[in-house]
Amino acid sequence: AQRVTQPEKLLSVFKGAPVELKCNYSYSGSPELFWYVQYSRQRLQLLLRHISRESIKGFTADLNKGETSFHLKKPFAQEEDSAMYYCAPLDSARQLTFGSGTQLTVLP
Amino acid sequence: ETGVTQSPTHLIKTRGQQVTLRCSSQSGHNTVSWYQQALGQGPQFIFQYYREEENGRGNFPPRFSGLQFPNYSSELNVNALELDDSALYLCASSLEDRVGYTFGSGTRLTVV
Repeated sequence: AQRVTQPEKLLSVFKGAPVELKCNYSYSGSPELFWYVQYSRQRLQLLLRHISRESIKGFTADLNKGETSFHLKKPFAQEEDSAMYYCAPLDSARQLTFGSGTQLTVLP
Repeated sequence: ETGVTQSPTHLIKTRGQQVTLRCSSQSGHNTVSWYQQALGQGPQFIFQYYREEENGRGNFPPRFSGLQFPNYSSELNVNALELDDSALYLCASSLEDRVGYTFGSGTRLTVV
């Protein structure tokens, strides 16, 4: 069965510390992968997509096909990074599936 | 300026009633998807429309139905409402799904 797993429901780091939000997927074929973010009182928005290999707000995500992972990383967390983060594969049926999310809190 | 607007923002309905939620997508976005987000959970895919045809459906019963119109607006209809239908309903549109989706702010539905 197709599944996306974000093992950490809550994650707290101190400002300036590195942060990694984990995402593992179990899909047939090669899904396209996205990270979406929801800041407090704001709508869900696209953070980055693996096909463009871009860096947004200092975040990057590397697709590891061997481990079927797409972890989100940032070397130096900022307080404004505090938000809910969702990993979301787009499968061959063009269906976007969201993980359960990780609530990141960056402490001062 | 995201271009996706949903109405109403909040709605209270009684069990057994029917409800229609509306979404106005960003101009030019041929694909629209609807999601249900229960409290504390990630969005769950309901269905997707491409050029007014349903082309994908999640694990939701037939009483969840939709329409997409040529003017980039769409509707989500839910019949025979149940208490468990209480959730935030999100609409998202895309020019091309590989680029990513733009989300609306959602409609909070409460079934009592």
